Amino acid sequence: GENVEQHPSTLSVQEGDSAVIKCTYSDSASNYFPWYKQELGKGPQLIIDIRSNVGEKKDQRIAVTLNKTAKHFSLHITETQPEDSAVYFCAASIVETSGSRLTFGEGTQLTVNP
Amino acid sequence: SAVISQKPSRDICQRGTSLTIQCQVDSQVTMMFWYRQQPGQSLTLIATANQGSEATYESGFVIDKFPISRPNLTFSTLTVSNMSPEDSSIYLCSVVQDTVSYEQYFGPGTRLTVT
Repeated sequence: GENVEQHPSTLSVQEGDSAVIKCTYSDSASNYFPWYKQELGKGPQLIIDIRSNVGEKKDQRIAVTLNKTAKHFSLHITETQPEDSAVYFCAASIVETSGSRLTFGEGTQLTVNP
Repeated sequence: SAVISQKPSRDICQRGTSLTIQCQVDSQVTMMFWYRQQPGQSLTLIATANQGSEATYESGFVIDKFPISRPNLTFSTLTVSNMSPEDSSIYLCSVVQDTVSYEQYFGPGTRLTVT
């Protein structure tokens, strides 16, 4: 089955700096890669996703890149703000055959210091 | 995106008892899933809730322990049976609204503590 590894497990940055979280996956058939933000006491919130036919996607301060050959994808947050502090999870799926069953990475605790 | 609610939001239960968690969505959805998130850890898929038929369980999860129902396109329940302290976790319902975007949205979770 699919295995997703996520690094780093913790990340501390100064407000205004950029943050990068990286994930690798094992199944070359995976074709859908969402990122979730989970604040304390809440369910995961979908913040951005990318499909295997796209190399990069951007939404305001958030961007995701995908390297299919190397089987890794990354989340980039620019101009970080204290409200970006949360746990971030990457995930992978083969949507057509697995019915959207997601395999998650272990999570990254991001702390943005004011 | 769909609005997902879960009941209860949290509960403290005695070992050996069972708890049923409800997941309600404000619109019809294509797929519904149940995940478990143990304290400080990642999310693990328990099963896919299939409308009108038996759920599809992931390796390590069985129907006798986690019976699931999905009577219609907006509602599902997960029962945690014969609970032990190891079942203390957050249980999360998630949905996929359409098979074009495949975007998956999560409910707020049910925090279960077993004593």
